[in-house]
Amino acid sequence: AQKITQTQPGMFVQEKEAVTLDCTYDTSDPSYGLFWYKQPSSGEMIFLIYQGSYDQQNATEGRYSLNFQKARKSANLVISASQLGDSAMYFCAMRPSGSARQLTFGSGTQLTVLP
Amino acid sequence: DTGVSQNPRHKITKRGQNVTFRCDPISEHNRLYWYRQTLGQGPEFLTYFQNEAQLEKSRLLSDRFSAERPKGSFSTLEIQRTEQGDSAMYLCASSLGLRDTYEKLFFGSGTQLSVL
Repeated sequence: AQKITQTQPGMFVQEKEAVTLDCTYDTSDPSYGLFWYKQPSSGEMIFLIYQGSYDQQNATEGRYSLNFQKARKSANLVISASQLGDSAMYFCAMRPSGSARQLTFGSGTQLTVLP
Repeated sequence: DTGVSQNPRHKITKRGQNVTFRCDPISEHNRLYWYRQTLGQGPEFLTYFQNEAQLEKSRLLSDRFSAERPKGSFSTLEIQRTEQGDSAMYLCASSLGLRDTYEKLFFGSGTQLSVL
């Protein structure tokens, strides 16, 4: 079974500063993928970034980067130059390889960007 | 709008009634998922279709829940004899496919169910 832990229920960051959202995971699968999704108040989950467990480099997508530390089983999301529109819930998720298709999500972190 | 569409956006029903939700995925997407999200939690997987075939069902999906995807296009999720514990946001997502562990899901805005 897989488990995702997000220990920060809420985070505040000043506009234009960087912020790190924490995610740790637990799995016995040797191959897996890690994801971050953003959920604004409208409810629609938006894909942000993906990291494969065998990827040598940390994933980056624009202002988003993933600090992947495999030995520590952590996959923290870093948002650089925060914008007011970044205020939302952020979910970390994992999928193992093999026949199981579903994502396992964490409980989320509510990020508020202050002007 | 070419995104994932879910209807209705909100549904209020009385305990014991049946409800049905609809999801229209992005047209070329062959995979379709249903998730359930309660307040303060991340989404939980319910079921998954590849084209018209329902390939996986969560243990969360009791006998009162049924999902269909006729002709591999839109999908419906029906809950029979609703209970107050069914109150949640029901999210639909679709994708083009899976490459190893990578799959980019496109989510709809969900249907918020309230059972009184």
